[in-house]
Amino acid sequence: RKEVEQDPGPFNVPEGATVAFNCTYSNSASQSFFWYRQDCRKEPKLLMSVYSSGNEDGRFTAQLNRASQYISLLIRDSKLSDSATYLCVVNRPQDGGATNKLIFGTGTLLAVQP
Amino acid sequence: DAGITQSPRHKVTETGTPVTLRCHQTENHRYMYWYRQDPGHGLRLIHYSYGVKDTDKGEVSDGYSVSRSKTEDFLLTLESATSSQTSVYFCAINPGTGSNTIYFGEGSWLTVV
Repeated sequence: RKEVEQDPGPFNVPEGATVAFNCTYSNSASQSFFWYRQDCRKEPKLLMSVYSSGNEDGRFTAQLNRASQYISLLIRDSKLSDSATYLCVVNRPQDGGATNKLIFGTGTLLAVQP
Repeated sequence: DAGITQSPRHKVTETGTPVTLRCHQTENHRYMYWYRQDPGHGLRLIHYSYGVKDTDKGEVSDGYSVSRSKTEDFLLTLESATSSQTSVYFCAINPGTGSNTIYFGEGSWLTVV
């Protein structure tokens, strides 16, 4: 089982739609969770961190479910500019280590159609 | 802008030749990383550094070496490039604000023919 799993998509949605991505992780000791956005042939960029209580940033809402070990990203009122690959990222805690390694999912491709 | 510059941005090289990719940062960050990204695998950690001359292996370190003689530069070397090392390589930094968040450079596209 992969440490971080995402549905690769593509998710094809019309402008204005609401779309949700889920991501599951295998290490119950993970403490840090993120969503990154990656445009074609560009570097990944931090979209938002995911907090235990859930958090919102404009049209984007991230949630964490520790019991089921998944995180989600909800995008409301989709824009053409939201078209990108969304990467789920989870840390792998290191025993006694100062650096927690980050494990990246393979990404979910979103294509917003006019 | 994370203040990270990667060079070269694009390179085509022949099998068996040595290749060095450079990552330069301007913000004096302690932690630096090299990742590669391939279809179906996502981003995978090659090596990382937690200070000058302090480096460690990631999950796909075979065939790669790194050096960090100055805080601002983290070099990734392919001693003898192979076609399986054709990939896009991303350098990243952790600003060390107590979060595990990392920020990436623009990437280096390497083709080994």
